Order: sequence, then C-alpha cells, then structure tokens
Amino acid sequence: RKEVEQDPGPFNVPEGATVAFNCTYSNSASQSFFWYRQDCRKEPKLLMSVYSSGNEDGRFTAQLNRASQYISLLIRDSKLSDSATYLCVVNLRYSGAGSYQLTFGKGTKLSVIP
Amino acid sequence: SQTIHQWPATLVQPVGSPLSLECTVEGTSNPNLYWYRQAAGRGLQLLFYSVGIGQISSEVPQNLSASRPQDRQFILSSKKLLLSDSGFYLCANRGGRDNSPLHFGNGTRLTVT
Repeated sequence: RKEVEQDPGPFNVPEGATVAFNCTYSNSASQSFFWYRQDCRKEPKLLMSVYSSGNEDGRFTAQLNRASQYISLLIRDSKLSDSATYLCVVNLRYSGAGSYQLTFGKGTKLSVIP
Repeated sequence: SQTIHQWPATLVQPVGSPLSLECTVEGTSNPNLYWYRQAAGRGLQLLFYSVGIGQISSEVPQNLSASRPQDRQFILSSKKLLLSDSGFYLCANRGGRDNSPLHFGNGTRLTVT
C-alpha cells in the first residue's frame, strides 16, 4: 500500500458542481492531515487542515475517517478558479528528534469547465 | 507574518555544473526548514530538513547536499548536476508542533540540459 494515495484524475466538472476527492494513508498512527492546493507551476498552498470531527471553510469541507484511514475534501458550487491540483498531506513517518515528517500525495487534478 | 524567499526563480544548468539554491526566511526565528523537490508528473519528495544552525537531516541519498549557515538561511547545493536533478525545488518552513502545516517559498524551477 502506498504511503499516501490519491486518484490522479483529472476530474472535469462543470461550474456549480459538487466534487469530492479521497485520499488514503498507510500509517494508522498519523495525527495531522492537510489539504493543499497547487496551481500550475506554482508552489503548494495550504487550503485547510483536517480535524477529527471534520471541518468546513466556506464551500470546502474536509473529513477524516480514522477507521478506514482516509481523508476527503468536498468542494461545493465549483468555480472556475477552483481549477488546480489538490494535494493530500499526512504526517506519516517519525524521523527522530521528536518529529513526524509530512508526506504528500501526488495530487488530484481538478478542471472546472464553464 | 513569515515570508520565505527563494532564488533564482528559474535556472538552466548543464550536466556536470555546480548548483547553489538559497532560501531565506523572514518574520520568524529558529524555523524548521525543508527542501522538497517535485519532478515532472511526480509528487513532492522531501530532500533535507533542518531544525537549527548546522543541523541537517537527509531523507534521500543522492548528489545533493544542504547547509544551514544561519538561523534563517538554508542552502541546497550540488557539485555536479545530473539530468535527473531537473525539477521544481521548494523551500518550506514549518512550526515546531507536529500538527503544524508547511509554508512554501515560490520555488526554483531547475532544468538540467
């Protein structure tokens, strides 16, 4: 099983649609989860953290399922500006000095079509 | 708020040439700093991280090295570049807690020819 796995897409959806991405992770001891957004040829930017109880930020909702070891991102009322690659990030591996390192999925590409 | 500066933004280098990429951080002290690489069509790969001056941890053995000569400066180097070193190099800062996210600089796009 890959450490952090995402469907690469692309997801092509019309404006106004609802789209959901899932991400699975391999280490049941992981404690921190994030979604990042990366525009073409740009650096990744934090979209939102994912909390155990689930959390919402405007049109974006993130959820965590520890039993099945996956996190999800739901985007409602998609906008053209939502077109980007969405990266799932998990603090997966203990690397000493009391720290866990963040591991990135390869990303899911979203294209919102007029 | 913190700002991460990387330069240059774009770089084209011949195989066998040396490399030096610099990253500096403003607005915070004693940052945890990271170098990631994103090759075309691949995910982000952690190369090095540093929790303080002179402290470097290497995640992937290769012909790259890193140094941290000052608290807010992190340098990625190579003595001889390979074609496989091409990619998007990103410097990042992370808070000291395990639930802290990463914040990235604008990155350097390196093409080795």
